[in-house]
Amino acid sequence: DGGITQSPKYLFRKEGQNVTLSCEQNLNHDAMYWYRQDPGQGLRLIYYSQIVNDFQKGDIAEGYSVSREKKESFPLTVTSAQKNPTAFYLCASSVRTGGSNQPQHFGDGTRLSIL
Amino acid sequence: KNEVEQSPQNLTAQEGEFITINCSYSVGISALHWLQQHPGGGIVSLFMLSSGKKKHGRLIATINIQEKHSSLHITASHPRDSAVYICAVSGGSEKLVFGKGTKLTVNP
Repeated sequence: DGGITQSPKYLFRKEGQNVTLSCEQNLNHDAMYWYRQDPGQGLRLIYYSQIVNDFQKGDIAEGYSVSREKKESFPLTVTSAQKNPTAFYLCASSVRTGGSNQPQHFGDGTRLSIL
Repeated sequence: KNEVEQSPQNLTAQEGEFITINCSYSVGISALHWLQQHPGGGIVSLFMLSSGKKKHGRLIATINIQEKHSSLHITASHPRDSAVYICAVSGGSEKLVFGKGTKLTVNP
C-alpha cells in the first residue's frame, strides 16, 4: 500500500545535539512538507519542497534544516539552535499543486522530547 | 494572513447523536480541508471542498463561501469517531493554514 512512513515514532534529544527525523513516501508525490504541532495550537509549517533539490522555508524554519536529494525522502534535522524542540512533528506529501488545490497525505508523526 | 477558528474546542456526545463542528476563516480561500487526527497522532484527510457539500458515509461537509464558514457533520456518532477534527484552508498554493482542532469524544 502507498503511504508515508515517519521514523522513529519517539525520539529523545540531549541538549546541544542535532537529531534527524525521517520521512519516506511511495506515493510518487512531488511535494513534501514538515509541520510542527504543539498542544493547543494548529499545525505550523516548517519547510516544504515542491521538487527534488529544491525547498522553501515555512513559517517557523529557524533551528531546522532539510534536504531533498530523492523524490521519496524529505528528512528534517532539528539542530541545537532550536531552543524549544519538544513537539510532535508531522510529514505530509501531495501531488504538486501548480496553483491548484490538492489534498495532503500525512504520516503518523514523530514525538520529539528533550532529555 | 488567514485566521481559522474552530468551535467548539471540545465536544462530548453520546453514541448515536448528531455532531456538528464549525470552522470560520477570515480571508477568501480556494479550498477548505477537513482532517481527522487519531489518538496516536496520525492524520487522515476527510474532505477537500471549495463549494457546496460533500458526503462520505456518515460524514457530511458543507461550505458557505460568502459567509466564510464550513461545518462538518457526523450522523449516528460512534465511539470510534472519537478524534481531533482539524479544519485547514488554502489560497490556491501548497500552504495550508490550520485551525487548532476540535476534540470529539463519543461515549457508548
